[in-house]
Amino acid sequence: AQSVTQPDIHITVSEGASLELRCNYSYGATPYLFWYVQSPGQGLQLLLKYFSGDTLVQGIKGFEAEFKRSQSSFNLRKPSVHWSDAAEYFCAVGSNTGNQFYFGTGTSLTVIP
Amino acid sequence: DAGVTQSPTHLIKTRGQHVTLRCSPISGHKSVSWYQQVLGQGPQFIFQYYEKEERGRGNFPDRFSARQFPNYSSELNVNALLLGDSALYLCASSFLAEAFFGQGTRLTVV
Repeated sequence: AQSVTQPDIHITVSEGASLELRCNYSYGATPYLFWYVQSPGQGLQLLLKYFSGDTLVQGIKGFEAEFKRSQSSFNLRKPSVHWSDAAEYFCAVGSNTGNQFYFGTGTSLTVIP
Repeated sequence: DAGVTQSPTHLIKTRGQHVTLRCSPISGHKSVSWYQQVLGQGPQFIFQYYEKEERGRGNFPDRFSARQFPNYSSELNVNALLLGDSALYLCASSFLAEAFFGQGTRLTVV
């Protein structure tokens, strides 16, 4: 069965500090992995995705994620956080049809000045 | 270029009533899926439609139904509303294994 675990419910970082959000997945086949960001009351915006190939993927807004098959992980990173990055972050695993996603419970990011 | 549009944006219904939510996908996208996001949780998959046919269904009761029209727009219907159906309902259209989400419909059941 497909599932996604985001172990950190809430993270607080200082502006300019580095960030890593954890994601572990369970999926029977080769996973398609995604990170989405959601601002309060808004829909989901795609940050980056992994389908195959290079295990380090670059996304928008300076985010990157690394796929580690041996650890079933797809952690999101950013070297220097900006106040505007405060939001809810969701990791998701999807089928190759691209429209059946299984989301984690999310990590809420607070950025302090 | 218009993104995924959902209507209405907000809705208040009474327990036992029926509700219809609407979604227009991005032009050219033939697949639409629906998700329920309860406050504080991640979105839960409800349905996927492709070319007007149901291609997937999540673990939701039969009170939930959906359909897709020839123009690829979609409706989500929920009968006999319960307080627990209060949530943000998200629609996504997809192309080449990438999904694009609408802003959602916030349903409150009182």
